[in-house]
Amino acid sequence: DIQMTQSPSSLSASVGDRVTIACRASQRITGLNWYQQKAGKAPKLLIDAEFRLQRGVPSRFSGRGSEADFTLTISSLQPEDFATYYCQQSHTSPWTFGQGTKVEIK
Amino acid sequence: EVQLVESGGGLVQPGRSLRLSCVASGFSFDDYAMHWVRQVPGKGLEWVSGISWNSDTIDYADSVKGRFTISRDNAKSSLYLEMSSLRVEDTALYYCAKDSHYGDYQSTGFDYWGQGTLVTVSS
Repeated sequence: DIQMTQSPSSLSASVGDRVTIACRASQRITGLNWYQQKAGKAPKLLIDAEFRLQRGVPSRFSGRGSEADFTLTISSLQPEDFATYYCQQSHTSPWTFGQGTKVEIK
Repeated sequence: EVQLVESGGGLVQPGRSLRLSCVASGFSFDDYAMHWVRQVPGKGLEWVSGISWNSDTIDYADSVKGRFTISRDNAKSSLYLEMSSLRVEDTALYYCAKDSHYGDYQSTGFDYWGQGTLVTVSS
């Protein structure tokens, strides 16, 4: 199985900060997705195929990377962005997730 | 509007069985693979099982293989998860999720999720 490792596990940031979350796969992959999950809610797909923003997702979110190393960047953190973020590989089944990164208010 | 509504969760004793259901609406259910993903409260996401649009491809996480059975009824736009030999470690919120990939069993992410149904396995 492909292991997905996110870093950091949590971070504290202020509104307006630039935030970057890293995700590393245990092998080279094609197909990396990012989800946002707010407390008590289902996950929401933000980005698929490494960098493709889903409809309605603000442009302050961006994804990049290739092979085994990927990042999610929020260019200017907004109050509604405080949540937990997960990466997931869609290279091959089982479709594994990272352990999550909780973005908290500083 | 796409909607996925899960049901069937509850409290069950270890070793017993439970059947989860998910009713879909707002999209062509028989064009997409579907999945079950679970989440222990306060913990991360774990993919459990997936099924292709025509049920030809069925897939399980090792943690549930041999105990869980996924199925679908395209005429009813419904997805199911039959869970048997339940263990305490199966306790989680179970989400039904739609794959964003059209057609064959590949994945490009899960673009719609239900609100989940809670399964608690305890004596």
